[in-house]
Amino acid sequence: GQNIDQPTEMTATEGAIVQINCTYQTSGFNGLFWYQQHAGEAPTFLSYNVLDGLEEKGRFSSFLSRSKGYSYLLLKELQMKDSASYLCAVTGSNYQLIWGAGTKLIIKP
Amino acid sequence: IAGITQAPTSQILAAGRRMTLRCTQDMRHNAMYWYRQDLGLGLRLIHYSNTAGTTGKGEVPDGYSVSRANTDDFPLTLASAVPSQTSVYFCASSDSAGDYNEQFFGPGTRLTVL
Repeated sequence: GQNIDQPTEMTATEGAIVQINCTYQTSGFNGLFWYQQHAGEAPTFLSYNVLDGLEEKGRFSSFLSRSKGYSYLLLKELQMKDSASYLCAVTGSNYQLIWGAGTKLIIKP
Repeated sequence: IAGITQAPTSQILAAGRRMTLRCTQDMRHNAMYWYRQDLGLGLRLIHYSNTAGTTGKGEVPDGYSVSRANTDDFPLTLASAVPSQTSVYFCASSDSAGDYNEQFFGPGTRLTVL
């Protein structure tokens, strides 16, 4: 079967660092996306990983281990505007995206 | 138009009625998608189109139909709405349906079926 798991909700403090994990089991794998979705808005692209390792983009970094079926999104220097849901999605064998349910991140002052 | 637009923004619909959700993109993307998003569940693919003139079924296609007469438009039709179709519907597009297919999303349509 195909399955993507993420924590439902996480809480962190402004200025801190938070790591959001994603594990996946899919029949094929062609890449992993992270999207950000603010409440009531559309998802927006954050990162894409296809090879093992860490991709850094400003305050956000994304890591992938294909052998472990595991990824994480690392957010540094948290700001209140980072309060949102973070969606993990995997491109399967037919190139359609399979989405996790998302992790709601709450930032406290 | 910039990006993807959807209409209507929200709609309350009586069960049994027919409804078409509109989606238009101006990025000349080949691939387009319709998702529904329900609380506690991930985005679920309803239908997709890899290029104008072709469509395919996603994970939850029952009760929905689509057409792709041209590159820009990808309407979603509910032939006879049921309460379980109450959801937020997102249209998305990507340059291609290949392995790197960053998807761009419209603002969504919030649909309530009573």
